[in-house]
Amino acid sequence: AQKVTQAQTEISVVEKEDVTLDCVYETRDTTYYLFWYKQPPSGELVFLIRRNSFDEQNEISGRYSWNFQKSTSSFNFTITASQVVDSAVYFCALSGAGGGADGLTFGKGTHLIIQP
Amino acid sequence: DTGVSQDPRHKITKRGQNVTFRCDPISEHNRLYWYRQTLGQGPEFLTYFQNEAQLEKSRLLSDRFSAERPKGSFSTLEIQRTEQGDSAMYLCASRGGADEKLFFGSGTQLSVL
Repeated sequence: AQKVTQAQTEISVVEKEDVTLDCVYETRDTTYYLFWYKQPPSGELVFLIRRNSFDEQNEISGRYSWNFQKSTSSFNFTITASQVVDSAVYFCALSGAGGGADGLTFGKGTHLIIQP
Repeated sequence: DTGVSQDPRHKITKRGQNVTFRCDPISEHNRLYWYRQTLGQGPEFLTYFQNEAQLEKSRLLSDRFSAERPKGSFSTLEIQRTEQGDSAMYLCASRGGADEKLFFGSGTQLSVL
């Protein structure tokens, strides 16, 4: 069975601070995909990144960066110089490769509050 | 707009009534998913279609729930004899080809009184 754990229920920081959202996953698949989605108050889930299990290179996109460590089954997300617009619920998710449902298993999310 | 669209955005109903939601996926996407999200939780998988075939159903999907995707285009999710525990956000997502990325709609918020 697949499982995603986001231990931080809520994080509150002041604008311009850096913040890291933790994600730990469990899977028996050797090939899998990891995702981060952002859910602003409007409700729509916005895709941020996908990483496959064979690519452990860290990725940076503007103020966003992701640290994938297979050895610790973690896929952490860092926002540098946070802004109020970053306030949202962030979900880490996992899917296996191959057929079938192959839907996403989501964590419970981390509510990020950026205070001005 | 080429995204996933869902209708209605909000639905308020009385316990025991039937409700139906609609999802229009991105047009070239052959795979369509329904998820349910309750307050403070991540979305939970309900069911999956590849074209018009419903290939997978979660055990969360009781026999009061039925989903269809005629002609492999839009999909409907019907809940019969609604219960208060059905109150949630119902999210639709689609993806196409070898792309592992799911595109989500804005969801239908159901409130059962």
